[in-house]
Amino acid sequence: SQQGEEDPQALSIQEGENATMNCSYKTSINNLQWYRQNSGRGLVHLILIRSNEREKHSGRLRVTLDTSKKSSSLLITASRAADTASYFCATVYQTGANNLFFGTGTRLTVIP
Amino acid sequence: EPEVTQTPSHQVTQMGQEVILRCVPISNHLYFYWYRQILGQKVEFLVSFYNNEISEKSEIFDDQFSVERPDGSNFTLKIRSTKLEDSAMYFCASSEEWGQGAHEQYFGPGTRLTVT
Repeated sequence: SQQGEEDPQALSIQEGENATMNCSYKTSINNLQWYRQNSGRGLVHLILIRSNEREKHSGRLRVTLDTSKKSSSLLITASRAADTASYFCATVYQTGANNLFFGTGTRLTVIP
Repeated sequence: EPEVTQTPSHQVTQMGQEVILRCVPISNHLYFYWYRQILGQKVEFLVSFYNNEISEKSEIFDDQFSVERPDGSNFTLKIRSTKLEDSAMYFCASSEEWGQGAHEQYFGPGTRLTVT
Protein backbone atom coordinates (compact mmCIF):
# COMPACT_ATOMS: atom_id res chain seq x y z
CA SER A 1 0.00 0.00 0.00
CA GLN A 2 1.20 3.50 -0.74
CA GLN A 3 -0.67 4.92 2.23
CA GLY A 4 1.19 6.93 4.83
CA GLU A 5 1.14 6.01 8.45
CA GLU A 6 1.44 8.70 11.08
CA ASP A 7 2.77 8.52 14.56
CA PRO A 8 1.97 9.20 17.23
CA GLN A 9 -1.75 8.51 16.90
CA ALA A 10 -2.43 11.13 19.54
CA LEU A 11 -0.35 13.95 20.98
CA SER A 12 -1.18 16.30 23.83
CA ILE A 13 0.99 19.34 24.55
CA GLN A 14 0.86 22.65 26.35
CA GLU A 15 0.32 25.86 24.44
CA GLY A 16 3.65 27.31 23.35
CA GLU A 17 5.36 23.95 23.00
CA ASN A 18 6.40 22.45 19.70
CA ALA A 19 4.55 19.49 18.19
CA THR A 20 6.18 16.94 15.94
CA MET A 21 4.27 14.40 13.91
CA ASN A 22 5.81 11.73 11.75
CA CYS A 23 4.65 9.97 8.63
CA SER A 24 6.03 6.88 6.94
CA TYR A 25 5.14 5.47 3.56
CA LYS A 26 6.02 2.40 1.57
CA THR A 27 6.52 3.23 -2.09
CA SER A 28 8.23 5.91 -4.17
CA ILE A 29 6.31 9.13 -4.19
CA ASN A 30 5.99 12.17 -6.40
CA ASN A 31 5.11 14.40 -3.48
CA LEU A 32 3.78 14.34 0.05
CA GLN A 33 1.17 16.68 1.42
CA TRP A 34 0.05 17.50 4.94
CA TYR A 35 -3.55 18.31 5.78
CA ARG A 36 -5.40 19.42 8.88
CA GLN A 37 -8.91 18.39 9.82
CA ASN A 38 -10.86 19.99 12.63
CA SER A 39 -13.34 17.62 14.21
CA GLY A 40 -16.10 16.73 11.78
CA ARG A 41 -14.94 19.31 9.26
CA GLY A 42 -13.19 19.37 5.90
CA LEU A 43 -9.54 18.91 5.09
CA VAL A 44 -7.35 21.99 4.94
CA HIS A 45 -4.20 21.81 2.85
CA LEU A 46 -1.13 22.86 4.83
CA ILE A 47 1.98 22.19 2.82
CA LEU A 48 3.27 20.17 -0.12
CA ILE A 49 6.80 18.85 -0.39
CA ARG A 50 8.12 17.34 -3.59
CA SER A 51 10.22 14.21 -3.69
CA ASN A 52 13.34 16.22 -4.61
CA GLU A 53 12.92 18.58 -1.67
CA ARG A 54 14.19 17.95 1.83
CA GLU A 55 12.63 20.72 3.87
CA LYS A 56 9.91 23.27 3.53
CA HIS A 57 8.58 26.04 5.75
CA SER A 58 5.28 27.82 5.95
CA GLY A 59 4.78 30.16 8.89
CA ARG A 60 5.01 28.05 12.04
CA LEU A 61 5.07 24.83 10.03
CA ARG A 62 8.20 22.97 9.04
CA VAL A 63 8.07 19.82 6.96
CA THR A 64 10.97 17.52 6.25
CA LEU A 65 11.17 14.65 3.82
CA ASP A 66 13.65 11.79 3.85
CA THR A 67 13.06 9.68 0.77
CA SER A 68 15.76 7.18 1.74
CA LYS A 69 13.80 6.39 4.91
CA LYS A 70 10.42 6.97 3.25
CA SER A 71 9.42 9.31 6.03
CA SER A 72 8.31 12.85 6.62
CA SER A 73 7.78 14.99 9.69
CA LEU A 74 5.59 17.97 10.43
CA LEU A 75 6.75 20.36 13.10
CA ILE A 76 4.40 23.00 14.48
CA THR A 77 6.31 25.55 16.53
CA ALA A 78 4.90 27.66 19.35
CA SER A 79 1.62 25.78 19.30
CA ARG A 80 -1.70 27.44 20.00
CA ALA A 81 -5.00 26.07 21.24
CA ALA A 82 -6.37 26.71 17.74
CA ASP A 83 -3.91 24.15 16.36
CA THR A 84 -5.96 21.41 18.02
CA ALA A 85 -7.00 19.15 15.14
CA SER A 86 -6.14 15.93 13.34
CA TYR A 87 -3.18 16.07 11.01
CA PHE A 88 -2.82 13.77 8.03
CA CYS A 89 -0.06 13.10 5.59
CA ALA A 90 -1.08 12.13 2.09
CA THR A 91 1.18 10.74 -0.58
CA VAL A 92 1.00 10.95 -4.34
CA TYR A 93 2.38 7.83 -5.95
CA GLN A 94 4.96 8.17 -8.69
CA THR A 95 2.70 6.96 -11.50
CA GLY A 96 1.50 10.19 -13.02
CA ALA A 97 -1.84 9.82 -11.26
CA ASN A 98 -2.64 12.50 -8.73
CA ASN A 99 -4.65 10.47 -6.26
CA LEU A 100 -3.92 11.14 -2.63
CA PHE A 101 -3.35 8.24 -0.27
CA PHE A 102 -4.01 9.34 3.28
CA GLY A 103 -2.57 8.05 6.51
CA THR A 104 -4.44 7.40 9.70
CA GLY A 105 -3.65 10.80 11.17
CA THR A 106 -2.33 12.24 14.41
CA ARG A 107 -4.82 13.78 16.80
CA LEU A 108 -3.15 16.86 18.29
CA THR A 109 -4.53 18.50 21.42
CA VAL A 110 -3.01 21.80 22.52
CA ILE A 111 -3.89 22.64 26.11
CA PRO A 112 -4.26 26.36 26.81
CA GLU B 1 -10.35 33.18 -1.27
CA PRO B 2 -11.93 30.66 -3.67
CA GLU B 3 -13.14 27.46 -2.05
CA VAL B 4 -14.79 24.18 -2.90
CA THR B 5 -18.39 23.99 -1.75
CA GLN B 6 -20.55 20.94 -1.18
CA THR B 7 -24.25 20.38 -0.67
CA PRO B 8 -25.98 19.14 1.32
CA SER B 9 -23.90 19.17 4.49
CA HIS B 10 -25.82 16.17 5.80
CA GLN B 11 -27.95 13.67 3.90
CA VAL B 12 -30.00 10.94 5.53
CA THR B 13 -31.37 8.26 3.25
CA GLN B 14 -32.86 4.81 3.46
CA MET B 15 -31.01 1.77 2.24
CA GLY B 16 -31.65 1.15 -1.45
CA GLN B 17 -32.37 4.79 -2.26
CA GLU B 18 -30.39 6.85 -4.73
CA VAL B 19 -28.47 9.88 -3.54
CA ILE B 20 -26.69 12.65 -5.38
CA LEU B 21 -23.97 14.61 -3.66
CA ARG B 22 -23.11 17.94 -5.18
CA CYS B 23 -19.90 19.90 -5.38
CA VAL B 24 -18.84 23.17 -6.88
CA PRO B 25 -15.07 23.06 -7.47
CA ILE B 26 -12.86 26.12 -7.59
CA SER B 27 -13.66 27.86 -10.85
CA ASN B 28 -10.31 27.69 -12.65
CA HIS B 29 -9.55 24.14 -11.58
CA LEU B 30 -9.66 21.37 -14.15
CA TYR B 31 -9.31 18.21 -12.07
CA PHE B 32 -11.93 16.97 -9.69
CA TYR B 33 -11.97 14.22 -7.10
CA TRP B 34 -14.21 12.42 -4.66
CA TYR B 35 -12.93 10.89 -1.43
CA ARG B 36 -14.76 9.38 1.48
CA GLN B 37 -14.02 8.93 5.16
CA ILE B 38 -15.89 6.33 7.16
CA LEU B 39 -16.13 7.42 10.77
CA GLY B 40 -12.86 6.81 12.56
CA GLN B 41 -11.08 5.58 9.45
CA LYS B 42 -8.72 6.93 6.79
CA VAL B 43 -9.73 9.21 4.00
CA GLU B 44 -10.03 7.01 0.90
CA PHE B 45 -9.81 7.97 -2.75
CA LEU B 46 -12.86 7.15 -4.86
CA VAL B 47 -12.48 8.75 -8.28
CA SER B 48 -10.81 11.50 -10.27
CA PHE B 49 -12.30 13.30 -13.24
CA TYR B 50 -10.91 15.42 -16.03
CA ASN B 51 -12.21 16.63 -19.35
CA ASN B 52 -15.61 15.05 -18.74
CA GLU B 53 -14.34 11.59 -18.09
CA ILE B 54 -13.04 9.47 -15.27
CA SER B 55 -9.25 9.48 -15.04
CA GLU B 56 -8.73 7.09 -12.15
CA LYS B 57 -10.99 5.15 -9.83
CA SER B 58 -10.47 2.94 -6.84
CA GLU B 59 -11.90 -0.48 -6.06
CA ILE B 60 -14.51 1.22 -3.90
CA PHE B 61 -15.94 3.01 -6.93
CA ASP B 62 -18.04 0.15 -8.28
CA ASP B 63 -21.05 0.16 -10.60
CA GLN B 64 -23.21 1.71 -7.89
CA PHE B 65 -21.24 4.93 -8.16
CA SER B 66 -21.14 7.45 -10.96
CA VAL B 67 -19.87 10.98 -11.42
CA GLU B 68 -20.95 13.74 -13.70
CA ARG B 69 -20.20 17.33 -14.53
CA PRO B 70 -23.65 18.38 -15.69
CA ASP B 71 -22.69 21.98 -16.34
CA GLY B 72 -19.73 24.32 -16.13
CA SER B 73 -19.70 24.53 -12.37
CA ASN B 74 -21.17 21.45 -10.66
CA PHE B 75 -19.58 18.07 -10.10
CA THR B 76 -21.79 15.33 -8.72
CA LEU B 77 -21.41 11.90 -7.17
CA LYS B 78 -24.36 9.56 -7.49
CA ILE B 79 -24.87 6.40 -5.50
CA ARG B 80 -27.62 4.40 -7.19
CA SER B 81 -28.71 2.07 -4.42
CA THR B 82 -27.24 2.98 -1.08
CA LYS B 83 -26.04 0.41 1.42
CA LEU B 84 -25.47 0.79 5.13
CA GLU B 85 -21.72 0.67 4.54
CA ASP B 86 -21.93 3.75 2.31
CA SER B 87 -22.45 5.84 5.43
CA ALA B 88 -19.45 8.16 5.51
CA MET B 89 -18.28 11.70 5.01
CA TYR B 90 -17.82 12.37 1.32
CA PHE B 91 -15.31 14.99 0.28
CA CYS B 92 -15.00 16.68 -3.06
CA ALA B 93 -11.65 18.16 -4.08
CA SER B 94 -10.23 20.01 -7.04
CA SER B 95 -6.81 20.93 -8.35
CA GLU B 96 -5.40 23.13 -11.08
CA GLU B 97 -3.27 20.57 -12.80
CA TRP B 98 -2.28 16.94 -12.87
CA GLY B 99 0.56 14.58 -13.44
CA GLN B 100 4.21 14.83 -12.55
CA GLY B 101 3.87 18.43 -11.50
CA ALA B 102 2.89 18.53 -7.87
CA HIS B 103 -0.41 20.26 -7.30
CA GLU B 104 -2.35 20.79 -4.16
CA GLN B 105 -5.86 19.46 -3.90
CA TYR B 106 -8.38 21.73 -2.23
CA PHE B 107 -11.14 20.01 -0.33
CA GLY B 108 -14.71 20.96 0.33
CA PRO B 109 -16.28 20.76 3.80
CA GLY B 110 -17.83 17.39 3.08
CA THR B 111 -21.28 15.83 2.99
CA ARG B 112 -22.12 13.47 5.80
CA LEU B 113 -24.17 10.62 4.34
CA THR B 114 -26.13 8.49 6.76
CA VAL B 115 -27.82 5.39 5.36
CA THR B 116 -30.47 3.86 7.61
